[in-house]
Amino acid sequence: AQTVTQSQPEMSVQEAETVTLSCTYDTSENNYYLFWYKQPPSRQMILVIRQEAYKQQNATENRFSVNFQKAAKSFSLKISDSQLGDTAMYFCAFMKYNAGNMLTFGGGTRLMVKP
Amino acid sequence: DGGITQSPKYLFRKEGQNVTLSCEQNLNHDAMYWYRQDPGQGLRLIYYSQIVNDFQKGDIAEGYSVSREKKESFPLTVTSAQKNPTAFYLCASSQLAGGNYEQYFGPGTRLTVT
Repeated sequence: AQTVTQSQPEMSVQEAETVTLSCTYDTSENNYYLFWYKQPPSRQMILVIRQEAYKQQNATENRFSVNFQKAAKSFSLKISDSQLGDTAMYFCAFMKYNAGNMLTFGGGTRLMVKP
Repeated sequence: DGGITQSPKYLFRKEGQNVTLSCEQNLNHDAMYWYRQDPGQGLRLIYYSQIVNDFQKGDIAEGYSVSREKKESFPLTVTSAQKNPTAFYLCASSQLAGGNYEQYFGPGTRLTVT
């Protein structure tokens, strides 16, 4: 079974600054996908970024980028130029390859962006 | 306008009553999922279905039941056997073939049992 751990329950950052959210996972699989989801106060789950484990290049989506370290089983999310709208819960999630697309979630990190 | 709908947004029930949460998708996705979220916690998988008339238990299936009679619908029943049913429930769907493995989520239903 897979486990996903987010060791930072809460974080805060000043507007326009950069923040990094940590995620580690445990798996014996070699092929898998990793995701970061954002859950704002509306509670709608929004996909932020995803990474295929077979790709060495770190994924980037505008202000969001990841640092994927496969050997260390680490998958951190960096948010650059933080905006007030980035205030949300952030969840790291693991998906085993070719196994029904099921997600295993971490416990989440609550991020507060301060003006 | 494609997406996933869950109704109602808020649901209140008395203890001892069964309650059914609705989930409908018009994305033509094969797979559907139900998650439970408790305050300040991550999502936990209750049930999932990869094809019509078939479904599997997730990590916390006790006290819940589902059906998948149509591809677009996957209702969840919270039974009186569920010891702590008050929670936020999220439905999701995903396409199993074609390379797009992303899960799409509905807006959720907040269930309060008193």
